[in-house]
Amino acid sequence: GIQVEQSPPDLILQEGANSTLRCNFSDSVNNLQWFHQNPWGQLINLFYIPSGTKQNGRLSATTVATERYSLLYISSSQTTDSGVYFCAVEDSGTYKYIFGTGTRLKVLA
Amino acid sequence: KAGVTQTPRYLIKTRGQQVTLSCSPISGHRSVSWYQQTPGQGLQFLFEYFSETQRNKGNFPGRFSGRQFSNSRSEMNVSTLELGDSALYLCASSLQDTVTEAFFGQGTRLTVV
Repeated sequence: GIQVEQSPPDLILQEGANSTLRCNFSDSVNNLQWFHQNPWGQLINLFYIPSGTKQNGRLSATTVATERYSLLYISSSQTTDSGVYFCAVEDSGTYKYIFGTGTRLKVLA
Repeated sequence: KAGVTQTPRYLIKTRGQQVTLSCSPISGHRSVSWYQQTPGQGLQFLFEYFSETQRNKGNFPGRFSGRQFSNSRSEMNVSTLELGDSALYLCASSLQDTVTEAFFGQGTRLTVV
């Protein structure tokens, strides 16, 4: 089955700093999403981005499907950005998402 | 528009008991899937339903089962609970018959003692 790897596993930033989170996947995918898991456990949708580039405020994402990776950019980070960021890809034809192990981000005031 | 609703939010059960978790998808969404999240295994797929049919099941023992009703609401059941079943159970819904953007509920945190 498809493998999803995220890096770095942990990231500590000072408030105001920028960061790039990476997601590599082992096979072609039809769907890719980025999520932020809040302290209560809910997965919050950030981007649905099987290919191309999207931006939403301080966050943006790029997926290069042909090279099997996606990047999530966080600019001018805030303490509220802290949490775990997950990349998930659809395992084609199986109706399921495969999740990476996540990047745990801590933003210090 | 209401999001995905999972009930209950928290549960404490004893080993050997059974438990039923409920998930109401976003209105109009017909696909519902379930995931288990544990510190050791991360997020793992349990099963997916579309129009009351299970289309895929993850690598979990038969104690884990689910169903979907005609109104797209779904339930999952775990029988003969084990300590290792303690986890956050997350439900997701999506619109179409192929996997598209998935929206997750707040989860049910199950503790087995």
